[in-house]
Amino acid sequence: NAGVTQTPKFRVLKTGQSMTLLCAQDMNHEYMYWYRQDPGMGLRLIHYSVGEGTTAKGEVPDGYNVSRLKKQNFLLGLESAAPSQTSVYFCASSYGQLLDNEQFFGPGTRLTVL
Amino acid sequence: DQQVKQNSPSLSVQEGRISILNCDYTNSMFDYFLWYKKYPAEGPTFLISISSIKDKNEDGRFTVFLNKSAKHLSLHIVPSQPGDSAVYFCAASGHTDKLIFGTGTRLQVFP
Repeated sequence: NAGVTQTPKFRVLKTGQSMTLLCAQDMNHEYMYWYRQDPGMGLRLIHYSVGEGTTAKGEVPDGYNVSRLKKQNFLLGLESAAPSQTSVYFCASSYGQLLDNEQFFGPGTRLTVL
Repeated sequence: DQQVKQNSPSLSVQEGRISILNCDYTNSMFDYFLWYKKYPAEGPTFLISISSIKDKNEDGRFTVFLNKSAKHLSLHIVPSQPGDSAVYFCAASGHTDKLIFGTGTRLQVFP
């Protein structure tokens, strides 16, 4: 099993450009999450999904959109990138609700917006 | 408003000694707490958790203590090993599917 994979690993964008980050999991998990990690801020939840076709907002959703068309994939989109979106993005998945269901994280995508 | 706080950005411990990492929270609705470990250029990995009905949970060298009245939890690593050198994140949840993470503590274990 590959676990949780993220594509791409690194990306540099110019302000105003758009891009999509792909997260894939092969553990048949229902729940998937997108986080961003910034220095001194820990990990903050952007959006999450509790099943195929569902999405919900996290702590910092502005400027991002997500889609969960297939159970194994969770896409994070930036329509018009801003320097404030420079960050490391982590995807995670879990079998179910948090209690007794740990979140498994991908290796991260380092995004720089110039 | 940081609901989960890790006030020590870094900690340095000698190999074989105890490492104690601390975490404070402000939201009394939190009832499930986790510790994650993160190596550079990797995603966080789950380490240990505790629910609010317990005050201690142990897994090998790792023990988490929860003091609900003080809204404080701590992670003890005994004995510390060089491979434990990483960033440790405390996280909390309260009746939701969302985790709130602390800012992390960088642990360095030296020989």
